[in-house]
Amino acid sequence: QVQLVESGGGVVQPGGSLRLSCAASGFTFSSYGMHWVRQAPGKGLEWVAFIRYDGSNKYYADSVKGRFTISRDNSKNTLYLQMNSLRAEDSAVYYCAKDGCGGDCYLDYWGQGTLVTVSS
Amino acid sequence: QSALTQPASVSGSPGQSITISCTGTSSDVGGYNYVSWYQQHPGKAPKLMIYDVSKRPSGVSNRFSGSKSGNTASLTISGLQAEDEADYYCCSYAGSSTWVFGGGTKLTVL
Repeated sequence: QVQLVESGGGVVQPGGSLRLSCAASGFTFSSYGMHWVRQAPGKGLEWVAFIRYDGSNKYYADSVKGRFTISRDNSKNTLYLQMNSLRAEDSAVYYCAKDGCGGDCYLDYWGQGTLVTVSS
Repeated sequence: QSALTQPASVSGSPGQSITISCTGTSSDVGGYNYVSWYQQHPGKAPKLMIYDVSKRPSGVSNRFSGSKSGNTASLTISGLQAEDEADYYCCSYAGSSTWVFGGGTKLTVL
């Protein structure tokens, strides 16, 4: 069964950095694109970033472009999100999610999320 | 990358049907048949309920159905049950490998 387990969340000061990880199992990780999606407390879902199956291309929401970097290590079945220059509005639960079709389509499996709090 | 528009809340009695709308633009909902719907219970991860506008993943009840007309997609839940009470989010592919979500709809089963 597909499993996605996020880690790396925590409390960080404004302007600081944090790296999130997502350990994947139960499917051929190297064959699927992967997403990060976030949800601020009490708010809706916001798509953050997408990386193709081989890491060749990366795409970002305007709200994080230039500050966040998505990457993956297919040898370790792990997805990453490097978050720099963090702001209070980046506080959220961050979910990793698997692409459903190997291309640009839908997100089929989600992890349980990791909480990031940006506060002084 | 503006969020898709969903009603903040809908409600219905057990056994009834409800429909949640999701309005976007010709650059997202209207431009692609890649609308998906997610159910989220409090404190839980989102769960895929509908993909490609109207397809149901294996294991999702056939009480859930999806459709699209122009720039508006819809999720219909028939035969409402207590366990359907949750937040529901639409999502659309928006081109250039970007996605956009709706603001979410809280479904209350009366």
